[in-house]
Amino acid sequence: LAKTTQPISMDSYEGQEVNITCSHNNIATNDYITWYQQFPSQGPRFIIQGYKTKVTNEVASLFIPADRKSSTLSLPRVSLSDTAVYYCLVGAPVFQGGKLIFGQGTELSVKP
Amino acid sequence: KAGVTQTPRYLIKTRGQQVTLSCSPISGHRSVSWYQQTPGQGLQFLFEYFSETQRNKGNFPGRFSGRQFSNSRSEMNVSTLELGDSALYLCASSLTSVSGSTDTQYFGPGTRLTVL
Repeated sequence: LAKTTQPISMDSYEGQEVNITCSHNNIATNDYITWYQQFPSQGPRFIIQGYKTKVTNEVASLFIPADRKSSTLSLPRVSLSDTAVYYCLVGAPVFQGGKLIFGQGTELSVKP
Repeated sequence: KAGVTQTPRYLIKTRGQQVTLSCSPISGHRSVSWYQQTPGQGLQFLFEYFSETQRNKGNFPGRFSGRQFSNSRSEMNVSTLELGDSALYLCASSLTSVSGSTDTQYFGPGTRLTVL
């Protein structure tokens, strides 16, 4: 299973764009990259998932270079409510026997 | 569409007791996974069930067990509770479509278990 490395913590201010980079050098061919957000004492919330290039939804963008050894979650114009832990996960779809391996995540603190 | 629900939300038990936690997946989802989250170990995978069969298992002792019913609802049981079992137990469900390219897991709010 591919191991991920991401910064332990990041600080930002309201209205700024935040980019969190995740390194996954041993990503396998059938692995997808998924990001989750978690608030204290709540379950992780799915943010975005991708395989290659760029994926965008209403809350974030995910940039994946051609070699797929890293990925960057981009949160546009963050607000105080975006303060949370963000997890980068790499793995195969569940039906292929994959399971989610959570690293330590990145604790994002958004200040006014 | 209703999300993943878990009951109870909070539970207090004493050492040596056993506990059963329940998870109802999103309607139509056939796979249910369980995770344990503690401040020291983070989020750890316990096991995953699909069509009433355990397909995948993490590195937890046999005191942790689970099952899945025909309606995809799942229960997790912990016997002979230890202080270290105090944690947030999370359940996640996914569609598991054979023809699908990805299988996003959607998490419930968790059950906070405290062992005294």
